[in-house]
Amino acid sequence: DQQVKQNSPSLSVQEGRISILNCDYTNSMFDYFLWYKKYPAEGPTFLISISSIKDKNEDGRFTVFLNKSAKHLSLHIVPSQPGDSAVYFCAANGGATNKLIFGTGTLLAVQP
Amino acid sequence: NAGVMQNPRHLVRRRGQEARLRCSPMKGHSHVYWYRQLPEEGLKFMVYLQKENIIDESGMPKERFSAEFPKEGPSILRIQQVVRGDSAAYFCASSPTFGQGNQPQHFGDGTRLSIL
Repeated sequence: DQQVKQNSPSLSVQEGRISILNCDYTNSMFDYFLWYKKYPAEGPTFLISISSIKDKNEDGRFTVFLNKSAKHLSLHIVPSQPGDSAVYFCAANGGATNKLIFGTGTLLAVQP
Repeated sequence: NAGVMQNPRHLVRRRGQEARLRCSPMKGHSHVYWYRQLPEEGLKFMVYLQKENIIDESGMPKERFSAEFPKEGPSILRIQQVVRGDSAAYFCASSPTFGQGNQPQHFGDGTRLSIL
């Protein structure tokens, strides 16, 4: 039962352009959504989160949009930089114990 | 380095041996989570602990796996009688408080377990 889905395994973008990473979920009870970035052989690094009562959160080059009716969220990176090349995981936080439910990740490649 | 510390970074075991993975949370964090990442998959929750208590072990296999977070010292994830399917990256995360989704979990760099 895949409650959090990232349907694009990979994405390639030119440096300076916008990267849009997508995530869908099935459980309307999730109360927070988070994006993590992961380089090979390292642990995930927290990027940005959004509460289920918001529809947008922005932090520098990163913006997360939440569409509750569609059960969909997206991460926008503008402008994209080569150092952004990594695997991006969408995660949902809900329930009594704060555990995270992760998607399978999207590999972003930013071409110089 | 005030981050989440995991050791060893790489661990090789033969089938039937025991594997012990250690995690020291960030300073001031009293909540520890363990996740497992199989090849080509996302991270899957295993267990959530506070000092001396297991709060949620719903993601932990019922047999061979155990976890603890003693009053003193790191959290330990223990796998007995390892099998090939246990080969994975095991990540530990910590957070300062419980119950607030806006307190992101901070992850260590993981232990890569290989079973021969």
